[in-house]
Amino acid sequence: EPEVTQTPSHQVTQMGQEVILRCVPISNHLYFYWYRQILGQKVEFLVSFYNNEISEKSEIFDDQFSVERPDGSNFTLKIRSTKLEDSAMYFCASSVTIGGKETQYFGPGTRLLVL
Amino acid sequence: EDQVTQSPEALRLQEGESSSLNCSYTVSGLRGLFWYRQDPGKGPEFLFTLYSAGEEKEKERLKATLTKKESFLHITAPKPEDSATYLCAVSGGSYIPTFGRGTSLIVHP
Repeated sequence: EPEVTQTPSHQVTQMGQEVILRCVPISNHLYFYWYRQILGQKVEFLVSFYNNEISEKSEIFDDQFSVERPDGSNFTLKIRSTKLEDSAMYFCASSVTIGGKETQYFGPGTRLLVL
Repeated sequence: EDQVTQSPEALRLQEGESSSLNCSYTVSGLRGLFWYRQDPGKGPEFLFTLYSAGEEKEKERLKATLTKKESFLHITAPKPEDSATYLCAVSGGSYIPTFGRGTSLIVHP
């Protein structure tokens, strides 16, 4: 069964460093998403991406963040100048819409720890 | 601003003891209400999407229903493997999904 994959599974970085989180969405999906989940908190939407551009973004997704689809398979989230509060699980998701009904598939997540 | 409130926060059941989880929501122009299952340290796993009041979806021991203000996830005769956190999310006119905090379900054998 096709699945969304994410790398790395864990990332430890120093405050102020840049990190790139990588995702491979399911191949025939057209919409891609990044979410984050701080430990013990709810899942929060960051950004959605369609047709090689951002379609929606939340207030969390400020100039510190950027997304890119560098080739036909990868979808990346870049976090510049990381802060302690960026420590969280970051989930990528991709979705397919059939008959007007959307189904989102999440990846296993990248656990980011900023020290 | 879209809001999702899930209750109870935690639920303990005996195997075979049926129950329901609640998801109350306020949203401008509901595009969809989603239920997910999340196991510890893993990504949410899609269960159902509901689009209009009165709609129902079923999968094995789970049944999701939707009204104009809330959704219920009914669990019939649960098994220990149903233990997980169940997440509810809504997408409205803003096209930005809003999640609830989830209900942590433990089913004892």
